[in-house]
Amino acid sequence: EPEVTQTPSHQVTQMGQEVILRCVPISNHLYFYWYRQILGQKVEFLVSFYNNEISEKSEIFDDQFSVERPDGSNFTLKIRSTKLEDSAMYFCASSVGSPNYGYTFGSGTRLTVV
Amino acid sequence: GENVEQHPSTLSVQEGDSAVIKCTYSDSASNYFPWYKQELGKGPQLIIDIRSNVGEKKDQRIAVTLNKTAKHFSLHITETQPEDSAVYFCAASGSQGNLIFGKGTKLSVKP
Repeated sequence: EPEVTQTPSHQVTQMGQEVILRCVPISNHLYFYWYRQILGQKVEFLVSFYNNEISEKSEIFDDQFSVERPDGSNFTLKIRSTKLEDSAMYFCASSVGSPNYGYTFGSGTRLTVV
Repeated sequence: GENVEQHPSTLSVQEGDSAVIKCTYSDSASNYFPWYKQELGKGPQLIIDIRSNVGEKKDQRIAVTLNKTAKHFSLHITETQPEDSAVYFCAASGSQGNLIFGKGTKLSVKP
């Protein structure tokens, strides 16, 4: 069964450093998403990406965040200057169409900012 | 915007019993309602979904019901097994083409 692949599985970084989280969506999917889950809390929407541009973003997705699809397969989330409160699980997801066609989530990257 | 409430936050059942998890949503424009199972250290996995033109959907031991008038939907798991133990999230489609998640229910099935 096709999977969404995320790397690394765990990233530890110092406060103020930049991190890049990587995702390889399912190959025939057209919509890509990043969500995050702070420990013990609900999964929260960050951003959606379609046709090589951001289609929607939440209030959480401020200027320190950016996304990119540098080639035909990778989809990245960059956090420019990490803060302690950025520590969370970050999930990438992709879908064939809109959410009504169902998401497939990756296994996540656990980001720990120290 | 859309808000999704989920209850209970924890649920403990004996193996073989049924489990029911309930969610309510606020935006009447929401038309897609998936349920996800999340095991420790893994991403959410879609287990069943329902669209607003359907009232009930069943897949083996799992069923979902939707009441559009009352804006609530429920997950029913029958004949629970220890491997059903996980955190379950309901979600509703949001106006941004995203999903709005509930806070999750930690289900424990005791052998």
